[in-house]
Formats: sequence, structure tokens, C-alpha cells
Amino acid sequence: QVQLVESGGGLVKPGGSLRLSCAASGFSFTDYSMLWIRQAPGKGLEWVSYINSNGGAVYYADPAKGRFTISRDNAKNSLFLQLNSLSAEDTALYYCAKWNYGADSWGQGTLVTVSS
Amino acid sequence: EIVLTQSPDTLSLSPGERATLSCRASQSVSSNNLAWYQQKPGQAPRALIYGASRRAPGIPDRFSGSGSGTDFTLTISRLEPEDFVVYYCQQYTTFPWTFGHGTKVDIK
Repeated sequence: QVQLVESGGGLVKPGGSLRLSCAASGFSFTDYSMLWIRQAPGKGLEWVSYINSNGGAVYYADPAKGRFTISRDNAKNSLFLQLNSLSAEDTALYYCAKWNYGADSWGQGTLVTVSS
Repeated sequence: EIVLTQSPDTLSLSPGERATLSCRASQSVSSNNLAWYQQKPGQAPRALIYGASRRAPGIPDRFSGSGSGTDFTLTISRLEPEDFVVYYCQQYTTFPWTFGHGTKVDIK
């Protein structure tokens, strides 16, 4: 079955950086676009970024533009999100999701906490 | 950016009742590129509906979606105990993709 496992979250100081990873299995990773979606504590869902199946098209939410970079390694069935210039407003659980006319599979998320 | 407004914020109903959740878009969502998700406490969301009205695999038929343009609805025909959780709509017609703020269905 489809499995998505995020990692790389943690506690980081304002202005710091993190690289999130998502290991995919149970499906043909190269055939699907992927997403990052985040959820601040006690808040709703926020779409962060999209990457198409071959990595040739990427899109970002406005808060992520210029600071976050989405990428993928299809040979390793892995999705990444590089987070730079982090602020307290970026504190959230970050989910990766498989896109198939809807985010039809989600990981359990990796928590990013930005605090001094 | 397309803003999605969900209403009501909270819907208080009893098991067995019908739930009607609304999602209104600030501009037209073409090709009915709208999805609905359910999120239980402490869990990742799961997809219920895509294309405004198509049930995702494995989703019970008590869940249905309808609407077009700017007005969309998620209907739960008869609420089961496990349905009293939070629901989100999402548009994927135009980047940046956006979510509504959610509707919580709780037990009356």
C-alpha cells in the first residue's frame, strides 16, 4: 500500500534552515505529482508547494516563495522541501501528499518548530 | 488567489441526521477542481471527494459532493459517530492552491 514517511523536522532558531524529506513507497513515484501541506498547531490546512512528476514544474504559496524550495529524486522515490529564513509563523506540522486529482495519500507529518 | 469560505464554522447535529457543509469560492473554480477532506484528531487528513462530486476510493456512499462555479456542498446523508470531526475544502484550479478554514461537525 502507499506509504509516505516524512522526516527532518525539529527545533530551529528564527532565520535558520531545515531540509524536510518524504520517503515514498507502494506506488510508482515517478508517475505522480507531489505536494507539501502544513498545519500550524490548532489551525487549518495550508497548501505550501507542488511539484509535477518529473520535477519540471513547481509552484509555491506566497509565504513560501523565495524561502522554500521543493525538489524530488525519482531514482530514490524521495520528495524534499528546503526551508530557509524560517520564522515563528512557519511553525507547523508539515505533510507530504501524493496528488491524484486530490491529495489521495498523506504522510503523518514532521513537526517544525521555530523558536529562539 | 482564490479564497474559499466554509460555513458554518461549527455544525451541531445528532447521529443519524443529515449534514450539509458549504464551501464558497471568491472566483469561479473551473472544471469543478474542488476536493473535500476529512481530518480526525491527531490524524492526517484523508480525501473524501475530488472533482466536486467524485468519491475517492473506499469512501462510504453517505458522503456526496455537489456544486459548480463558486458554490460547493459536502453532504453526509446520515451521520455516523466517526463523522463528528473537521472537514476542509480545497481548490486546485489555479495556483496558489488554497484550502478553506474548515467546518467542525460536533455532536449536539
